[in-house]
Amino acid sequence: DVKVTQSSRYLVKRTGEKVFLECVQDMDHENMFWYRQDPGLGLRLIYFSYDVKMKEKGDIPEGYSVSREKKERFSLILESASTNQTSMYLCASTRLAGVFGVSYNEQFFGPGTRLTVL
Amino acid sequence: GQQLNQSPQSMFIQEGEDVSMNCTSSSIFNTWLWYKQEPGEGPVLLIALYKAGELTSNGRLTAQFGITRKDSFLNISASIPSDVGIYFCAGHGSSNTGKLIFGQGTTLQVKP
Repeated sequence: DVKVTQSSRYLVKRTGEKVFLECVQDMDHENMFWYRQDPGLGLRLIYFSYDVKMKEKGDIPEGYSVSREKKERFSLILESASTNQTSMYLCASTRLAGVFGVSYNEQFFGPGTRLTVL
Repeated sequence: GQQLNQSPQSMFIQEGEDVSMNCTSSSIFNTWLWYKQEPGEGPVLLIALYKAGELTSNGRLTAQFGITRKDSFLNISASIPSDVGIYFCAGHGSSNTGKLIFGQGTTLQVKP
C-alpha cells in the first residue's frame, strides 16, 4: 500500500514564525502536491513538484514556498506565518502518467496537518 | 483555478437508504476519481475510472464514467453510519503533471 506521511497532525504557531510542514511518500512517486483545505472552499493547490528540485506554483502559492531535495520528501514552508494561513494542509503523491498509453493519475493523500496560527 | 460542479452539497439520510451524487465538468476528462474524507483525516481513494462508460464497484459503492467524459456518478447502496464523511470527485485531463481538478465535496450524514 502507498503510504504518505506528514510530520505533524496538529501544529500551533505564532504569527511571524517560520513553519515547516514535511511530507514523505514511500512509493517512489515522481509527483508530489501540497493543498490547503478550508470549509466551503474545497481543496486548493498550493504547489506541486514533478521531480527533485523541480516545482511549480499551484492556484494559491502566495505566502508559501516549497523544497524537494529528495524524491520521497516534499516540504511546505510558511516564511512568516499569518492567521489567514490557519488551515488543514494535505500532501499527496502520484506516479507519472503514461505507461503503455495508460494513465495513472490517482493521488494518494497523507493524513493532513491541522495548522493554527495565533 | 478550475473546479468541478459537484452535487448535492450535503445529504442527510436514514440508514439503509441509497445515495447518489454526481460531478460535471465543462472539460473532457481522461480519469475520474472518487475519494472519501472522514473528519480530521486525509482523503482516501475509493474508485478510479479510466474509460468513458466504465462502471466500477467497490463493495456497496458504484461509480460510472460518463459517456460524454464530462461527468461521473457515485452511488452508495444501503447506507450505514460509517459512510458518514465528505465525498470528493476529481478529474484529470490531458496534462502530464498529474494535477487533478476537485469537486467541492458532498457531505453525507447518516441517521441510525
